Amino acid sequence: ETGVTQTPRHLVMGMTNKKSLKCEQHLGHNAMYWYKQSAKKPLELMFVYNFKEQTENNSVPSRFSPECPNSSHLFLHLHTLQPEDSALYLCASSRDVSSYEQYFGPGTRLTVT
Amino acid sequence: DQQVKQNSPSLSVQEGRISILNCDYTNSMFDYFLWYKKYPAEGPTFLISISSIKDKNEDGRFTVFLNKSAKHLSLHIVPSQPGDSAVYFCAATYNTGNQFYFGTGTSLTVIP
Repeated sequence: ETGVTQTPRHLVMGMTNKKSLKCEQHLGHNAMYWYKQSAKKPLELMFVYNFKEQTENNSVPSRFSPECPNSSHLFLHLHTLQPEDSALYLCASSRDVSSYEQYFGPGTRLTVT
Repeated sequence: DQQVKQNSPSLSVQEGRISILNCDYTNSMFDYFLWYKKYPAEGPTFLISISSIKDKNEDGRFTVFLNKSAKHLSLHIVPSQPGDSAVYFCAATYNTGNQFYFGTGTSLTVIP
């Protein structure tokens, strides 16, 4: 595997479910990011991790809980989501947070019913 | 409030002609700008970037122009090829680059 991978690619969940999104990068990068893209809206940065430490949390509701066990893996734990949380969730990585070029995964299309 | 705007949701161009994609921003603190390209079912891929100390950056068929006084940047693709058909996002950042602000994207279709 090369680049940035995300699983699952599609997820449908009810508002009372708990699920997790997984991201893995095979680029040797030290920074990882979660973005949300809702329909007809720009990509919104959610969380930033640098060397496994969270450096940014853009006022994301607590029903989204990130986890970064090591520099290669990033999770987004989801619980009691709302229908308006339905979106494309993109993971990205970069050499470190001072590196401008980010490498994106293909995203997870999440639908909350 | 959107700090980076792409006001044209779509653009169609004949193969071989020039494609010009536009992007406007409101925050004068932005000092680095990027363009990403996205194919369906794939994540965005980095295309080209420009620092605010420059007004032009060229990479093969792709050139980005920056007009700081107008807070405007554009991406020129010449000649356009059918494989260039994709959604193009512009993004901006400042300081350490920890925060990136994206536009909503422009869908380019290059007609053979």
